[in-house]
Amino acid sequence: EAQVTQNPRYLITVTGKKLTVTCSQNMNHEYMSWYRQDPGLGLRQIYYSMNVEVTDKGDVPEGYKVSRKEKRNFPLILESPSPNQTSLYFCASSLGTSNQPQHFGDGTRLSIL
Amino acid sequence: SQQGEEDPQALSIQEGENATMNCSYKTSINNLQWYRQNSGRGLVHLILIRSNEREKHSGRLRVTLDTSKKSSSLLITASRAADTASYFCATGLSGNTPLVFGKGTRLSVIA
Repeated sequence: EAQVTQNPRYLITVTGKKLTVTCSQNMNHEYMSWYRQDPGLGLRQIYYSMNVEVTDKGDVPEGYKVSRKEKRNFPLILESPSPNQTSLYFCASSLGTSNQPQHFGDGTRLSIL
Repeated sequence: SQQGEEDPQALSIQEGENATMNCSYKTSINNLQWYRQNSGRGLVHLILIRSNEREKHSGRLRVTLDTSKKSSSLLITASRAADTASYFCATGLSGNTPLVFGKGTRLSVIA
């Protein structure tokens, strides 16, 4: 089954404790991206990747890192999480560019205390 | 940078009625997409309409695009309780500019 898999689905952690949210897709998609969804603000893109070893900043990249060592994986790293990064995070992938239909994971709800 | 804005913010209808949601945007676009999000889940792509298209259908969904007014509408006909969800429009610009999502319309279909 074609899917985007994120882990963990839920995480409560403390300020400053490094964490990684993994994202994997099995559709051989080139384009992958991370969004955060906050009430009243909608979805905002954090980082995107057009292909292996190619990443770029989205609208709200501060406090986040990503890597794209393999085509299928696109982890999101919070090196020193802060409470303002408490949010619902989504990974998405698409066949070509950002203009193509995006396939979303089920989301990761992060709470930073 | 928010581009698409959905209207209304919330809509409540009876099962069997039609639901219409609107999206307005500010700049020229390459395409416009509609997504559905069930509570607590990821977004699901519904339909993509290109800037040179005026109308598109998919099952019970009908999307129109008016580039002169910079607006789009999503019509769900004969709605069902399972259509209860939030619906988002997203505008695709040129190149690899990120899709820009609106804040969504929350649709409640009452059985």
